[in-house]
Amino acid sequence: KAGVTQTPRYLIKTRGQQVTLSCSPISGHRSVSWYQQTPGQGLQFLFEYFSETQRNKGNFPGRFSGRQFSNSRSEMNVSTLELGDSALYLCASSSGVRPSYQETQYFGPGTRLLVL
Amino acid sequence: GIQVEQSPPDLILQEGANSTLRCNFSDSVNNLQWFHQNPWGQLINLFYIPSGTKQNGRLSATTVATERYSLLYISSSQTTDSGVYFCAVEGYGGATNKLIFGTGTLLAVQP
Repeated sequence: KAGVTQTPRYLIKTRGQQVTLSCSPISGHRSVSWYQQTPGQGLQFLFEYFSETQRNKGNFPGRFSGRQFSNSRSEMNVSTLELGDSALYLCASSSGVRPSYQETQYFGPGTRLLVL
Repeated sequence: GIQVEQSPPDLILQEGANSTLRCNFSDSVNNLQWFHQNPWGQLINLFYIPSGTKQNGRLSATTVATERYSLLYISSSQTTDSGVYFCAVEGYGGATNKLIFGTGTLLAVQP
């Protein structure tokens, strides 16, 4: 099976712009989670989607949003970019069928976003 | 919420040496995973181990859930083992698929 894919891999934006990142989960997986990784805050949970519905959300401002399509592909959007949004954004997929604590999450290679 | 602490924060080894990485968590957990993040940022699953012991080649892990800690053992380390090792947990009653990550252990294996 192909792994989790994320596009683009690298992105440079300026403050105030918006950005959309894409994640394609492993075939058959219905749950997609997003994480932000920064040197200062480490890895933090953004949100999780399952069957096109947001199931969980982390403690991030409303500028961070996401959605999931019927094919389980997910996008996240950050509006009005700030310098502090510079980070590695990782998505993870899992089947989502069993209780989550019985399964492993598989991560994509990430998108490196630099906000100037 | 659950706190996850990892130690040591940094570790430098000579190739061939053994090491033990520790993960302490502050509450009962449903799920515990160990990941290796390579220099390019890719997070790779090593173990899903909410309790018990598992081995995979030169790596093994043990979680003692009642005492709220997990250990990752790396034997005969190789330069390709370099990177950051993360422990991540999911608590009882917590949000599904929401992993809480520790701060990681940065491992450098020198030839």
